[in-house]
Amino acid sequence: GAVVSQHPSRVICKSGTSVKIECRSLDFQATTMFWYRQFPKQSLMLMATSNEGSKATYEQGVEKDKFLINHASLTLSTLTVTSAHPEDSSFYICSATTSSGVSSYNSPLHFGNGTRLTVT
Amino acid sequence: QKEVEQDPGPLSVPEGAIVSLNCTYSNSAFQYFMWYRQYSRKGPELLMYTYSSGNKEDGRFTAQVDKSSKYISLFIRDSQPSDSATYLCALAGDKIIFGKGTRLHILP
Repeated sequence: GAVVSQHPSRVICKSGTSVKIECRSLDFQATTMFWYRQFPKQSLMLMATSNEGSKATYEQGVEKDKFLINHASLTLSTLTVTSAHPEDSSFYICSATTSSGVSSYNSPLHFGNGTRLTVT
Repeated sequence: QKEVEQDPGPLSVPEGAIVSLNCTYSNSAFQYFMWYRQYSRKGPELLMYTYSSGNKEDGRFTAQVDKSSKYISLFIRDSQPSDSATYLCALAGDKIIFGKGTRLHILP
């Protein structure tokens, strides 16, 4: 149980284009989803927290207009990288939990398999 | 001082050995402690979750928490080549912080 599916696993796009990444919880309702960015040999950097039906909460330094997050349902959240540039190339990972609020940080997280974005 | 410190490795040990992975942290507000395993180009997978000081065992894995020393450990017994991965500690309270991960290589 507790499977999170992330799609696509890999995408290459040209500079200036937009890319959408989907994160789905397959067998549970994800009240809260998190989006992370991971650089090589670095830890997971939280970008934003999304709750179904409300606006995402972005971490300091993350441009909300560049990284658009939509949590349209209890099983789907999307991250759109708008006007992508080479410096946006990274590994993006989503995670999901059935908890909300502060409890969402304390509960075990279920991760997707990540999306490798390469912007040329 | 960083909130969580984790030696990035790489750590290479022979098959069958006991592996010890560690994290130290500075914020006593962290109350929940997790270990994740991440294979190359994959998302992290939850291995252990605990919230109390002491040991928690699950198969070949033992998580140890010492809140007084702000030190957590993951022990892997009878290590296998399939255990080769990056292991991330995670600490949670009103937020969750991940360590940088330790790259582990089990040598056949």
